[in-house]
Amino acid sequence: AQSVTQPDIHITVSEGASLELRCNYSYGATPYLFWYVQSPGQGLQLLLKYFSGDTLVQGIKGFEAEFKRSQSSFNLRKPSVHWSDAAEYFCAVGARGGGADGLTFGKGTHLIIQP
Amino acid sequence: GAGVSQSPRYKVAKRGQDVALRCDPISGHVSLFWYQQALGQGPEFLTYFQNEAQLDKSGLPSDRFFAERPEGSVSTLKIQRTQQEDSAVYLCASSLSGSSTDTQYFGPGTRLTVL
Repeated sequence: AQSVTQPDIHITVSEGASLELRCNYSYGATPYLFWYVQSPGQGLQLLLKYFSGDTLVQGIKGFEAEFKRSQSSFNLRKPSVHWSDAAEYFCAVGARGGGADGLTFGKGTHLIIQP
Repeated sequence: GAGVSQSPRYKVAKRGQDVALRCDPISGHVSLFWYQQALGQGPEFLTYFQNEAQLDKSGLPSDRFFAERPEGSVSTLKIQRTQQEDSAVYLCASSLSGSSTDTQYFGPGTRLTVL
């Protein structure tokens, strides 16, 4: 069965500083990988996704993530955070196959931005 | 265009009551997913529909949970004889086709509190 681990429950970063959120997955092959962001009272919004090809993926809001097969990781990065980035971030995996199915999410990392 | 909508946004039920949660997917989206998100946790997959067919219900926690999508559009998640452990946010998502590479678009969720 697939699983996702986000080791950091909370991360505090100063506004303007760089950010890296960690994600490790367990899956028999290379899965589909996703990062979602959830703001209070809002639904989950997709930041970026990886299916194949270039292991460095660009997303919305200036985020990027790098797939590293050898480390089973898909860490999310941003060079300079803004106060509006404060939210809950979820890494997720999807089974590689023809048909759609549910995603497996990590427990999330709560990002706090300090002025 | 309109995104995924869910109603009600908040629901308080007494233990033992039945509840029905509604999801309106993005118009034309073939796939529809339900997730349960407990406090401080990531979403957990409950069930998946492709049009009106329920293709995966492996995540439903008990036979008290029932979902339907009779006309391949609106979906209802029903919980019978609610228990306190059912308290969570119930998220609905839809995607355009039946492919595993499609982006899942999430609604704002229904927060269920069982007293």
